Amino acid sequence: GAVVSQHPSRVICKSGTSVKIECRSLDFQATTMFWYRQFPKKSLMLMATSNEGSKATYEQGVEKDKFLINHASLTLSTLTVTSAHPEDSSFYICSARAGSRSSYNSPLHFGNGTRLTVT
Amino acid sequence: AQSVAQPEDQVNVAEGNPLTVKCTYSVSGNPYLFWYVQYPNRGLQFLLKYITGDNLVKGSYGFEAEFNKSQTSFHLKKPSALVSDSALYFCAVRDSGNTGKLIFGQGTTLQVKP
Repeated sequence: GAVVSQHPSRVICKSGTSVKIECRSLDFQATTMFWYRQFPKKSLMLMATSNEGSKATYEQGVEKDKFLINHASLTLSTLTVTSAHPEDSSFYICSARAGSRSSYNSPLHFGNGTRLTVT
Repeated sequence: AQSVAQPEDQVNVAEGNPLTVKCTYSVSGNPYLFWYVQYPNRGLQFLLKYITGDNLVKGSYGFEAEFNKSQTSFHLKKPSALVSDSALYFCAVRDSGNTGKLIFGQGTTLQVKP
C-alpha cells in the first residue's frame, strides 16, 4: 500500500515553455504533499509543502510564481514549472504521507521522480 | 532548526562485510529520525525510523540503525552487505513545525563491491 505515482518520469522542453508534473497518491488520501528538487550532487531540497484546498507553503528562496503548485484534491498535487530555463533542469520528486497530522511520525512515501531537461 | 549531517560522501565496503553509514542530528526537543534509500533515477524508499523506544531499530532489507542520544547519532548498519545494497542513502529528521516535513542530510553513496 501507500503508493505515490509521479508523471511524467522524464520530460524535455524548450526554454520558455511550461511543464506540469503530476503527483498522485494511489491508495490513500494525502492532505499534504511535499515537492523536492534533487541537485546533481545528490542533496534534496524541499521546495514547498502542498496543502489540499489551500495555498502551498514555499521554502525560502523558492519562487512561487515560477513553481506553481496546485493541490486540488486529496489524491493529486501538481507542480508547474513556468517559463522554464536550462537552470531549472533537475530531478523533481514528490512525496506524501497518509493520514492526518496525528500521523506525522509515519514515513513519507515518494514518487519515482521526474527528470526535467530544459534545452 | 532541525538538521542532520552525513559526514561521508561515499562508503565503500566489500560484499559480505558489515557496513555503517553515519548520521548525526541536531534537534530541539525529541528527535524523530528516518533512513531512506534511493536507487538511480528513482524516488526514495523508506528503510526505518526512530520515534521512541528501543535504541536499536530494525528496518527493511536487513538494515538496522542505532539511536545514540549522547552522541546525537543515528548510524545505519547492516551485518553483511550485498552488492544490491549499492545505492544512495539519506538520513532525515522530522521538522518541528506543524507540517511534518522531513529535512534530509546530504546523502551517502554506498558502494558494495563483489
